[in-house]
Amino acid sequence: DAKTTQPPSMDCAEGRAANLPCNHSTISGNEYVYWYRQIHSQGPQYIIHGLKNNETNEMASLIITEDRKSSTLILPHATLRDTAVYYCIVRVEGSGNTPLVFGKGTRLSVIA
Amino acid sequence: GAGVSQSPSNKVTEKGKDVELRCDPISGHTALYWYRQSLGQGLEFLIYFQGNSAPDKSGLPSDRFSAERTGGSVSTLTIQRTQQEDSAVYLCASSFSGRYGYTFGSGTRLTVV
Repeated sequence: DAKTTQPPSMDCAEGRAANLPCNHSTISGNEYVYWYRQIHSQGPQYIIHGLKNNETNEMASLIITEDRKSSTLILPHATLRDTAVYYCIVRVEGSGNTPLVFGKGTRLSVIA
Repeated sequence: GAGVSQSPSNKVTEKGKDVELRCDPISGHTALYWYRQSLGQGLEFLIYFQGNSAPDKSGLPSDRFSAERTGGSVSTLTIQRTQQEDSAVYLCASSFSGRYGYTFGSGTRLTVV
């Protein structure tokens, strides 16, 4: 049972920032927010994760609201290769007995 | 290895036959997961191995499905008496102690005819 809500699809112009929202209003204090993406015909790819502070890496930025009930994944300069399904997942960190549960995600289409 | 390796990449089998799918996780990763993805659908968790602990088989859809992990490394997913509804992409992932991010393989596309 996915604990997150994401829009089913979004479009973004190439070169612009893609902002993908995720609602996780029932998140627990020890649950992290993870983002993965799946490009067509490939396995999912880890992007980023965070607990309560904003996080940034070479792929994206993760902005988590102060109440932790929602977050936004930001791809600062979207390219055509960023077209994929993006999954937002909440999970207790280090909980070896809790596999990732994937919802339906957001299908991001980057348009030239 | 540098990534998670799965073989074969494609498998076509006749209904009723048994198939074995192989996964080579990243060296040193103690956690290994199997998922499947039917056409146009999301990822469905099948089974999870963590170190020497008993595997979590809660996602296996029927007793025709089984998996083992030998020596804490390579894993084999076996489907007996395959059915057409078993057609899907079977994905394997590994992680370090179940922490942080998973690394997925490219999957095995199984087609049952």
